[in-house]
Amino acid sequence: AQSVAQPEDQVNVAEGNPLTVKCTYSVSGNPYLFWYVQYPNRGLQFLLKYITGDNLVKGSYGFEAEFNKSQTSFHLKKPSALVSDSALYFCAVRDSNTGGFKTIFGAGTRLFVKA
Amino acid sequence: EAGVTQFPSHSVIEKGQTVTLRCDPISGHDNLYWYRRVMGKEIKFLLHFVKESKQDESGMPNNRFLAERTGGTYSTLKVQPAELEDSGVYFCASSHISGTEKYEQYFGPGTRLTVT
Repeated sequence: AQSVAQPEDQVNVAEGNPLTVKCTYSVSGNPYLFWYVQYPNRGLQFLLKYITGDNLVKGSYGFEAEFNKSQTSFHLKKPSALVSDSALYFCAVRDSNTGGFKTIFGAGTRLFVKA
Repeated sequence: EAGVTQFPSHSVIEKGQTVTLRCDPISGHDNLYWYRRVMGKEIKFLLHFVKESKQDESGMPNNRFLAERTGGTYSTLKVQPAELEDSGVYFCASSHISGTEKYEQYFGPGTRLTVT
């Protein structure tokens, strides 16, 4: 069965410091991996995706994520955090083997960036 | 381009009542999805439409939930009768049917359902 784990409920980081939001996944086939961000009273916004190719993918707002097949991880990173990055972040996976569009989300990680 | 819209933004109903949630996807998006997030937990997939056809409804909790997408445009999700455990935020999302953009889902702001 497909699953996504975001081990940290909350991540705190000072503005200007690098940030990492962790995500591990489990699928039977090859994964399609995604990160979404949710700001208060808004819907989820797409940040980036890994489908195939280069393991390091770059997305919106300076975020990037690295696909690590051996560790089944897809951690979200940013070299220098901004206060405006404070939000709820969701990792998601789709199993390419199923051929469908069913996407499994993690429980979310709340990021606090302190000025 | 207008985004995904959902109505109502918030609904409070009593146990046993009926509620209908509406989602208007982005124009031209044939894929439409319903998700639910309960009590700060993971966002759970409910079902997926391609145009008016249900492609995958494996996430629908039980037969108290009925989703429709007549004409392949907007979609409704009806809960009848509502139970306390149905409380949560219901998200709708849409995406293109082909190309690399099909992997990027656009979400609405959600409908917060409270069953008392």
